[in-house]
Amino acid sequence: QVQLQESGPGLVKPSETLSLTCSVSGGSISTYYWNWIRQPPGKGLEWIGYISNSGSTNYNSSLQSRVTMSVDTSKNQFSLKVNSVTAADTAVYYCVRGRDTSNWLEYWGQGILVTVSS
Amino acid sequence: EIVLTQSPATLSLSPGERATLSCRASQSISKYLAWHQQKPGQAPRLLIYDASHRATGIPARFSGSGSGTDFTLTISSLEPEDFAVYYCQQRSDWPPLYTFGQGTRLEIK
Repeated sequence: QVQLQESGPGLVKPSETLSLTCSVSGGSISTYYWNWIRQPPGKGLEWIGYISNSGSTNYNSSLQSRVTMSVDTSKNQFSLKVNSVTAADTAVYYCVRGRDTSNWLEYWGQGILVTVSS
Repeated sequence: EIVLTQSPATLSLSPGERATLSCRASQSISKYLAWHQQKPGQAPRLLIYDASHRATGIPARFSGSGSGTDFTLTISSLEPEDFAVYYCQQRSDWPPLYTFGQGTRLEIK
């Protein structure tokens, strides 16, 4: 059974860069699509983007200018960076594996709360 | 950008009753719709994909239907563990964009 676990700082200062890592166990990161989703406290879900097993990326156009995703196959991990953060970036961030080539959002990490505050 | 509108915002039912949740897309999305369930403090869980296919391990009381712009999630007989928030989600390949509805809260009456 594949499992995903987010890690990173829970507090980031405004204008700085949010950096998160997702560790994958129970399966290889060399297949499927790997997504990041976020959810502000008490609100709905927002897709941030995905990185494929080949390293190609697609980002939500609303965040594209501030987001970078990467994958480290040697560590079975993938990462998210969001720069120039503001309070509006405060959210629970989830890493999610897609279901086969369709990339339906099937396997979710437990999520990590990131607060942007000075 | 495709907008998904879910109704009702809140649905109050009792265990054993049938639940019907709706999701309407602002333009046709063919069958490219999924449903997710989220319980408090937990990550969402994929229930249905491609409008009507149950994900791995999802009980048969959950079913999805629809195509084009109108979709429905039906829970045939509510169990206590089914009370949660449900989100519909669509995916478009070009431009790549996945969007969610605002959610329907299913609460115990």
